[in-house]
Amino acid sequence: GAVVSQHPSRVICKSGTSVKIECRSLDFQATTMFWYRQFPKKSLMLMATSNEGSKATYEQGVEKDKFLINHASLTLSTLTVTSAHPEDSSFYICSASLQEGYTFGSGTRLTVV
Amino acid sequence: GDSVTQMEGPVTLSEEAFLTINCTYTATGYPSLFWYVQYPGEGLQLLLKATKADDKGSNKGFEATYRKETTSFHLEKGSVQVSDSAVYFCALSDQSVRTDKLIFGTGTRLQVFP
Repeated sequence: GAVVSQHPSRVICKSGTSVKIECRSLDFQATTMFWYRQFPKKSLMLMATSNEGSKATYEQGVEKDKFLINHASLTLSTLTVTSAHPEDSSFYICSASLQEGYTFGSGTRLTVV
Repeated sequence: GDSVTQMEGPVTLSEEAFLTINCTYTATGYPSLFWYVQYPGEGLQLLLKATKADDKGSNKGFEATYRKETTSFHLEKGSVQVSDSAVYFCALSDQSVRTDKLIFGTGTRLQVFP
């Protein structure tokens, strides 16, 4: 089936630095990619929807200058957490929409110290 | 707006017990309904889905029926195993409102003990 490869799976960074998370569609072209954030013991909250070749659409309350999303090709979408702070520590997961449903990356555990 | 409500966990069961995880939804259109499972340290995997009223989704012994009259999509399994321990998410997608984004419930953690 369709696979989305997400990297890194875990990352620890210092406050003030930036972290890039990549999601690659391995055997299909992902026109649309969704980025979610999962808080401890809570659900996945949609952050933004990225479309290949255009600007991402951010959900209300999500800072677009802090969470930079790039979808430059049909097989790669990236989320960059800029000037990370401890409150950005979370589990981030991407998802691609397919005709038969959705496929998810394995997630990235970000810890900002 | 559209939303999904799940029963709070954790749900703790002994092996071979019967499982029910309740899920109800609100939607303006005609949503598709999903159950996703997240094993420790992993991303989400589709468990089952139903796209219209009265459809029953099933997979790996799990079942859920799309009940429009009660706006519910409860997950059931007749005999759980230790390997079923995971977090289960109910979700909907309402393509009738021109978006295919998924809206998730809060997730229910299932713990099965031998």
